[in-house]
Amino acid sequence: EAGVTQFPSHSVIEKGQTVTLRCDPISGHDNLYWYRRVMGKEIKFLLHFVKESKQDESGMPNNRFLAERTGGTYSTLKVQPAELEDSGVYFCASSQGTRYNEQFFGPGTRLTVL
Amino acid sequence: AQSVTQLGSHVSVSEGALVLLRCNYSSSVPPYLFWYVQYPNQGLQLLLKYTSAATLVKGINGFEAEFKKSETSFHLTKPSAHMSDAAEYFCAVSDRNNDMRFGAGTRLTVKP
Repeated sequence: EAGVTQFPSHSVIEKGQTVTLRCDPISGHDNLYWYRRVMGKEIKFLLHFVKESKQDESGMPNNRFLAERTGGTYSTLKVQPAELEDSGVYFCASSQGTRYNEQFFGPGTRLTVL
Repeated sequence: AQSVTQLGSHVSVSEGALVLLRCNYSSSVPPYLFWYVQYPNQGLQLLLKYTSAATLVKGINGFEAEFKKSETSFHLTKPSAHMSDAAEYFCAVSDRNNDMRFGAGTRLTVKP
C-alpha cells in the first residue's frame, strides 16, 4: 500500500511568485493534515480536512495560504504571493477514523523563497 | 491549549549508551502523547503513543516512554543506542480532534 506522497519534494521560488504543493493521502483516509516546519523550530499545525471539509484551519498563517481538497482525495496548498518567511518544510499527514489514530506523514516539501 | 516542550535540541550519546530524550507537556484535558522519528529525507514515523492505557509504552526499535502525570512528562528512552538511531525525534500531544501539536524536535547523534 502506498504511503502519503507529496509533490514536489523541493521548490525554489522568488518572493511574490505563486507555488502549489500537492499531497496524496493514503487511500481511504478521511483525515488530511497540513503542517509546516520553519528551520529549527517546531512543526506547526496548519489545517485539518475531514473528507473535503475544513475541520480546523486555525493554524493557517494568513490569507496568502489557500488549501483545498476537492472530492476528498488529494489536497493542494497554494501560497500566493510567497514571502521570505514562508520558507520551510511543509508536511502532509493522513489518518483513518477519528480520535487519536496514528497520523501517517509524507516526506515533506521543502520550500525556499528567495 | 495543548503544547509540548522538548528539552535539548541536540543530544549526543555513544553507541551502546542510554538514550534519554525529554518531553514535557501542557494539557487542560487528559493528553494523548506521541513520539515520532524522522530519518534524513523521510517523513515522520510513529515510534509509540500513549492513549491512557498503560503508563509505560513500548514502541518500535527498542524505544519506550513513560507517562508521568505528576511530572507532566513523557520522556523517551532506549537502553542501548545504535548508530541507526541517529535521527530527529519529535514529541507531540493530540487533542480531541486529533490535531497534533509538536515540540521543536531533538536531534540525536550517536558516536561510535
